[in-house]
Amino acid sequence: GNSVTQMEGPVTLSEEAFLTINCTYTATGYPSLFWYVQYPGEGLQLLLKATKADDKGSNKGFEATYRKETTSFHLEKGSVQVSDSAVYFCALSMNTGNQFYFGTGTSLTVIP
Amino acid sequence: GAVVSQHPSRVICKSGTSVKIECRSLDFQATTMFWYRQFPKKSLMLMATSNEGSKATYEQGVEKDKFLINHASLTLSTLTVTSAHPEDSSFYICSASLAGWEGTEAFFGQGTRLTVV
Repeated sequence: GNSVTQMEGPVTLSEEAFLTINCTYTATGYPSLFWYVQYPGEGLQLLLKATKADDKGSNKGFEATYRKETTSFHLEKGSVQVSDSAVYFCALSMNTGNQFYFGTGTSLTVIP
Repeated sequence: GAVVSQHPSRVICKSGTSVKIECRSLDFQATTMFWYRQFPKKSLMLMATSNEGSKATYEQGVEKDKFLINHASLTLSTLTVTSAHPEDSSFYICSASLAGWEGTEAFFGQGTRLTVV
């Protein structure tokens, strides 16, 4: 079946530190991969996505590369800010029916 | 981008009562919407797929009679938690998909925090 395994948190970093949140997936077919962010008290917002192998999604300084060989889609940012504090969800979609499969979410806290 | 509005954002209800949550696609039509439930420290779990004009498709383990879904129009789906109990307290979130030139993207509502007392 389809599933997403995501690095558990919580993660606490100092401002300007490097961030990596690991995400691996299992899928029957060729999924699209996503990272969603949930700020406190809000719904999910799309952060970035990649629709095929070797694609790199990027947004707001965050990046993730679709690695088919390792079935991974790790999220990275070179220098985090306090405003990046949120919960990050890795997800996949098979594009048929548009159903999403989510990881457990990783809570990130960035301290000044 | 496309907007999905979910209402209410928070609701507290007494045990045994019913609560209705609305999910609206504000600037596009959605033939399919999805309802998820988020457990503390766990992922969002798909509850059901809401199809406009037909019955919802429920995931295994989700009680159809407890979680009533109605998708009466192309812009509105509702989730009614019937005879709510404290264990139904959770964060419920809906999504609607929109096909674009870059593929299909899902847009999520703000979520509803339900507390049953």
